[in-house]
Amino acid sequence: RKEVEQDPGPFNVPEGATVAFNCTYSNSASQSFFWYRQDCRKEPKLLMSVYSSGNEDGRFTAQLNRASQYISLLIRDSKLSDSATYLCVVNRPTSGTYKYIFGTGTRLKVLA
Amino acid sequence: EAGVAQSPRYKIIEKRQSVAFWCNPISGHATLYWYQQILGQGPKLLIQFQNNGVVDDSQLPKDRFSAERLKGVDSTLKIQPAKLEDSAVYLCASSPRTGPQPQHFGDGTRLSIL
Repeated sequence: RKEVEQDPGPFNVPEGATVAFNCTYSNSASQSFFWYRQDCRKEPKLLMSVYSSGNEDGRFTAQLNRASQYISLLIRDSKLSDSATYLCVVNRPTSGTYKYIFGTGTRLKVLA
Repeated sequence: EAGVAQSPRYKIIEKRQSVAFWCNPISGHATLYWYQQILGQGPKLLIQFQNNGVVDDSQLPKDRFSAERLKGVDSTLKIQPAKLEDSAVYLCASSPRTGPQPQHFGDGTRLSIL
């Protein structure tokens, strides 16, 4: 079992729809959580950090459930430009340093 | 603020040849990471530097891969000899320090092995 798991999709949704992605992690020592967006043939770019209290940035809402060890990303009013792969990233301490563990990503296609 | 710089953007070589990639992190960022991303997968950490010291190279195939960050700023990653399975995008990332904070990626080098 992978340490960070995501549904690979693709999620095909019409413009204007609301879509939610979930991500689960297995190591309870995980401390920080992020969503990155990766466009085709591009580098990952930070979309948002995920805080325990939940946080929102425009149409994007991220939530963290430490007890159940999952993170979610909600996108409201989907735009064509939201089409990308969304990577769930977990940061945890290991051997005196911190390590980032990436999920395989969830592909989103927003259709006109 | 200038981002993470990488070169080259693309590289095509034949198997058993050698190749090197270069990365210049964001100014002042002490921690530098090299990742390998195979199509359809998330990035996999190859090596992590804190200044000029290695803090994690547990997933680096040391029989063929090497990396250095001699002055604690820019870094090079080398593959010698290359294998077909090394075809991937090699991403460099940096963060101000090691710890629970986001990292920033360069454009990556797309490597194709023939």
